Amino acid sequence: GAVVSQHPSRVICKSGTSVKIECRSLDFQATTMFWYRQFPKKSLMLMATSNEGSKATYEQGVEKDKFLINHASLTLSTLTVTSAHPEDSSFYICSARGTFDLVETQYFGPGTRLLVL
Amino acid sequence: AQTVTQSQPEMSVQEAETVTLSCTYDTSENNYYLFWYKQPPSRQMILVIRQEAYKQQNATENRFSVNFQKAAKSFSLKISDSQLGDTAMYFCAFMKRGRTGTASKLTFGTGTRLQVTL
Repeated sequence: GAVVSQHPSRVICKSGTSVKIECRSLDFQATTMFWYRQFPKKSLMLMATSNEGSKATYEQGVEKDKFLINHASLTLSTLTVTSAHPEDSSFYICSARGTFDLVETQYFGPGTRLLVL
Repeated sequence: AQTVTQSQPEMSVQEAETVTLSCTYDTSENNYYLFWYKQPPSRQMILVIRQEAYKQQNATENRFSVNFQKAAKSFSLKISDSQLGDTAMYFCAFMKRGRTGTASKLTFGTGTRLQVTL
């Protein structure tokens, strides 16, 4: 149980285009999902908290018009990188909040590697 | 704000031996959770073990166990009988226990890269 998928796993795009990344909780409902960015050999940096049916909450310094988040259902959140530039190249990871055995836990997707040329 | 410190950037252990990864944290909260996540070369974040702060008993999951010292704000991970598949980056993380219906953020440490050798 507690499986989270991400699609695509890897994407290459041209500068100026937009890229959408999907995050799905496969066997549980997640009212809250989180989006992270990870640079090589570094820890995870929280970008935003995605809440089903409401606006996302962005961390300080994260451009909300650049990174659009939609959480339209209890099992799906999407992150759209708009007008991507080479500096947006990174590894993006989502997680979904689940509560099992009364313990709140985040379960992570496998990540999406984005390369902007 | 919470902070999580992992003071060992890299560690190495021989197969079948035991290794302990350290983690300390700073918080003024009384109700919280602590986690260890593993990130192997595939980069998939995998939950290793979790601990509720109000529980005095240390959590264990097969070969993985923690030494939770609440007063000292320490949360170390012990890996027994190390296996090659344990080679990964290990992150310690803190989560404040939120109100019912609200989600709390994870605060991660900088990670410890563990290499298991033959």
